[in-house]
Amino acid sequence: ILNVEQSPQSLHVQEGDSTNFTCSFPSSNFYALHWYRWETAKSPEALFVMTLNGDEKKKGRISATLNTKEGYSYLYIKGSQPEDSATYLCAFNPGDYKLSFGAGTTVTVRA
Amino acid sequence: GAVVSQHPSWVICKSGTSVKIECRSLDFQATTMFWYRQFPKQSLMLMATSNEGSKATYEQGVEKDKFLINHASLTLSTLTVTSAHPEDSSFYICSARQVGQGPDTQYFGPGTRLTVL
Repeated sequence: ILNVEQSPQSLHVQEGDSTNFTCSFPSSNFYALHWYRWETAKSPEALFVMTLNGDEKKKGRISATLNTKEGYSYLYIKGSQPEDSATYLCAFNPGDYKLSFGAGTTVTVRA
Repeated sequence: GAVVSQHPSWVICKSGTSVKIECRSLDFQATTMFWYRQFPKQSLMLMATSNEGSKATYEQGVEKDKFLINHASLTLSTLTVTSAHPEDSSFYICSARQVGQGPDTQYFGPGTRLTVL
């Protein structure tokens, strides 16, 4: 079992504010890091698949960075909106696509 | 994005019965599907890898005779929990790997909540 940790476990943010949170993962045997957004009663939605050290990806107001040498990734939400409320999961992929997930960061955006 | 369906979304059964959960990739073919489960307040944990046309591979600690996996076509994998017991109550979720150029994305179904009485 690979150790993938996400922090904080949960956070509350005021509408319009920006926020970010962390995923840490093993720095060895790295192939890819996956980010998902998971809303209650829905399928986890694939946000990013990140592979290159220093890579930054963006989807609307959400972006992510990757540091494979030190084993962490940040996910940023700019100008949070109520529809951003969800649990954000990261998953470590060593190349065989057997994903090891973090416990998630639950974001609640207050209007 | 690609869509994966899962059925049923929830099921309640008596101890000792078997339950089948279906996972379908609706708009793409998936040679590989994965089954995960999540206990309360825990991470998604991989149970097994389902390969079309061959036997599934199970993670350590997962009983293959209890969790039967069949991947009979490129769009369908099934998980059967045999002789279910209360400790099997959990959230089961599947994913399908969409092969493309570069790193592949895994698309998830919405999950199945199993409660064994």
